[in-house]
Amino acid sequence: KNEVEQSPQNLTAQEGEFITINCSYSVGISALHWLQQHPGGGIVSLFMLSSGKKKHGRLIATINIQEKHSSLHITASHPRDSAVYICAAIREGNEKLTFGTGTRLTIIP
Amino acid sequence: DAGVIQSPRHEVTEMGQEVTLRCKPISGHDYLFWYRQTMMRGLELLIYFNNNVPIDDSGMPEDRFSAKMPNASFSTLKIQPSEPRDSAVYFCASSYFYNEQFFGPGTRLTVL
Repeated sequence: KNEVEQSPQNLTAQEGEFITINCSYSVGISALHWLQQHPGGGIVSLFMLSSGKKKHGRLIATINIQEKHSSLHITASHPRDSAVYICAAIREGNEKLTFGTGTRLTIIP
Repeated sequence: DAGVIQSPRHEVTEMGQEVTLRCKPISGHDYLFWYRQTMMRGLELLIYFNNNVPIDDSGMPEDRFSAKMPNASFSTLKIQPSEPRDSAVYFCASSYFYNEQFFGPGTRLTVL
C-alpha cells in the first residue's frame, strides 16, 4: 500500500463543473504539497499547507491532519485546468516528499 | 529570478555512456532536490541537499548514480554507466527552508 493515495486516478468533467481530488496519507507529515503537471511536463507547486484551508483563484486546498486527508477543489473548471494533479507529503523531521500517483483531470469544453 | 534551470532539456545517449545532468537552483534557496519520473513508478526522490551537503541519498538507485553540489548555485547528477532502464525525466527542485519547492523544467533522458 502506498503511503500517499490519491483518488480518483482519472477524472473527466464538463467545463464549469466543481472538481474534487482527494489525497490520503499514512505517514506523519509536517505539510502537504499539491502540484500540477501539464502535458508539456513542467511541474508547478499550487499549494503547500499544514492545516486548514488555502485558496488561490479558483483553486482551494484543505487538509485535516487528524484524519490524514487533503482535498483539492477547482471551482468553475475550465479546459486549461486539464493536467495531472499530484499530492506530495512532506515527512515529519525532514524535507523528503512522498508522492501520490497523481490524478489525470480532463475538462471537456 | 529565472527559476530553477536545468540542462540539457533532452539527452539521448547509448548504453554504457556517462550522462551528466545539471541544475542551477533559485538564488537564496538552501535546499536542492533531484527527482526522477517514469510511467511505471511516478515521481521519486533520488537525493536532496541542504546548504550544499547531501542529507538523504537513500533514493539513489545504485552506485551508478552520483550527485554533487560544489556550491550553492550548481548541482550535477551523474549516471555512469548509463542503462536503458535509466530512461526517465529527471527534475531538479529547490526551496528555502521548509517552504514550497520550485521545480525546474526537467531533463528527458533516453538511453538506447
